[in-house]
Amino acid sequence: EIVMTQSPATLSVSPGERATLSCRASQSVSINLAWYQQKPGQAPRLLIYRASARATGIPARFSGSGSGTEFTLTISSLQSEDFAVYYCQQYNKWPPLAFGGGTKVEIK
Amino acid sequence: QVQLVESGGGLVKPGGSLRLSCAASGFSFSDHYMSWVRQAPGKGLDWLSYISSSGTNFLYYADSVKGRFTISRDNTKNSLYLQMNSLRAEDTAVYYCARVSVDGAFYFDYWGQGALVTVSS
Repeated sequence: EIVMTQSPATLSVSPGERATLSCRASQSVSINLAWYQQKPGQAPRLLIYRASARATGIPARFSGSGSGTEFTLTISSLQSEDFAVYYCQQYNKWPPLAFGGGTKVEIK
Repeated sequence: QVQLVESGGGLVKPGGSLRLSCAASGFSFSDHYMSWVRQAPGKGLDWLSYISSSGTNFLYYADSVKGRFTISRDNTKNSLYLQMNSLRAEDTAVYYCARVSVDGAFYFDYWGQGALVTVSS
C-alpha cells in the first residue's frame, strides 16, 4: 500500500508571495499524481494531473512538478482565493487509492 | 456542464443502513468509471470504492468498508449508489461521488457537493 505524505501541514504565506507544497510517496508512483484544492464547505477541485498537467480552467500560477516519489505544487503568486487546503493523490498503484493528509495554505 | 448531485445522507444509529445516490448530468454517464470518496469532520480525503462504466465488473473497495458497503450504478438513470450497512460511528463523514477522469486514469475530474452521513445513537 502506497502512503502519501504532505508537508508542511500548514503554510503561512502573504498574498502575492510564492507557495511551495510538497508531497512524497512511499514508493514510486511514476508521474501518476494529482493535486486538488478544497475550500471550506466545498468539494475538492482538480488542479493538476499527471504530476504537471493543469486541469481545465486552472490558472497558470498553479504548477506541478516531480516524478517517482517527490512532487511539488507551486503557486507562483498567491491570490486571496487560493487560501485553501491542498491534497495530493497517487493513482499509479491501487487499490487502495491514496491521498496525502493535506496542506493548509493560510494567510500570513 | 458536468453535475454530480448526492442525496440520501442523514442521521442513522450504529448498526443501521443508509443508501446514498448520486445523480449525474452534463456528460455521458455510461462512459465513465465512478467512485465514492469520504471526508470525516476536520479530516482528509478517504477513497472508498470504484465501479466500472458498465457496473458489471471492476468493483473495488477500501478495506475499511469491504463487506459492509456496496457500490452500484444504473446507467439508464444516470445514477450512482452506495449502499452502506452495519454503520459505525467512524463512518460519520461527508460522502462525495466523483467522476474518474475522461482519459481513464484514476484521478477525479469532477466531484459532487457531498452528502453528510452521521452515525450516532
